[in-house]
Amino acid sequence: AQSVSQHNHHVILSEAASLELGCNYSYGGTVNLFWYVQYPGQHLQLLLKYFSGDPLVKGIKGFEAEFIKSKFSFNLRKPSVQWSDTAEYFCAVNARSGTYKYIFGTGTRLKVLA
Amino acid sequence: DTAVSQTPKYLVTQMGNDKSIKCEQNLGHDTMYWYKQDSKKFLKIMFSYNNKELIINETVPNRFSPKSPDKAHLNLHINSLELGDSAVYFCASSNRGNTDTQYFGPGTRLTVL
Repeated sequence: AQSVSQHNHHVILSEAASLELGCNYSYGGTVNLFWYVQYPGQHLQLLLKYFSGDPLVKGIKGFEAEFIKSKFSFNLRKPSVQWSDTAEYFCAVNARSGTYKYIFGTGTRLKVLA
Repeated sequence: DTAVSQTPKYLVTQMGNDKSIKCEQNLGHDTMYWYKQDSKKFLKIMFSYNNKELIINETVPNRFSPKSPDKAHLNLHINSLELGDSAVYFCASSNRGNTDTQYFGPGTRLTVL
């Protein structure tokens, strides 16, 4: 069965600090990988996604993620966070076969201090 | 223009009542979903419809019944509401089966008293 693990549940950073949020998945087949962000009081929206090609994916607002197949990981990074990045971040995986079900990680709550 | 809309945004009701949440998408997507997000922000898929056909039906109580009258709508009816049903329910849609980006609605915060 598919599963997604996000190891950091709460992260607190100061503005301009670098960010890396971990995401590991468990699935033997080919997957699509996503990071979604949920700003306070808002709905989830896509930050970036990986389907194929260059494993280093760039998303909106300066975020990027790297797919490392051998490690089943898709970590999210940002070199310098801003106060406005305060949000909940969700990693998601969906298999490219079968039911194509989305599996979301438990989320990481990021708080950026001004 | 609202891509995925849900009504109502807030729903407060007593235990034992029956309630419905409606979802509509104007993106022309062929697949729609319902997710439940609990108080710890854990997001879990409940149902998915592709072209009005149920394709994912997770282990949820049969008090929850989705209904898709057409590709643009996916409603969720809940019978005999329980305290544990309190959560935020998100509708989402995507295209090309389930392999594409999901677009989420604003959520419906359900509180069962």
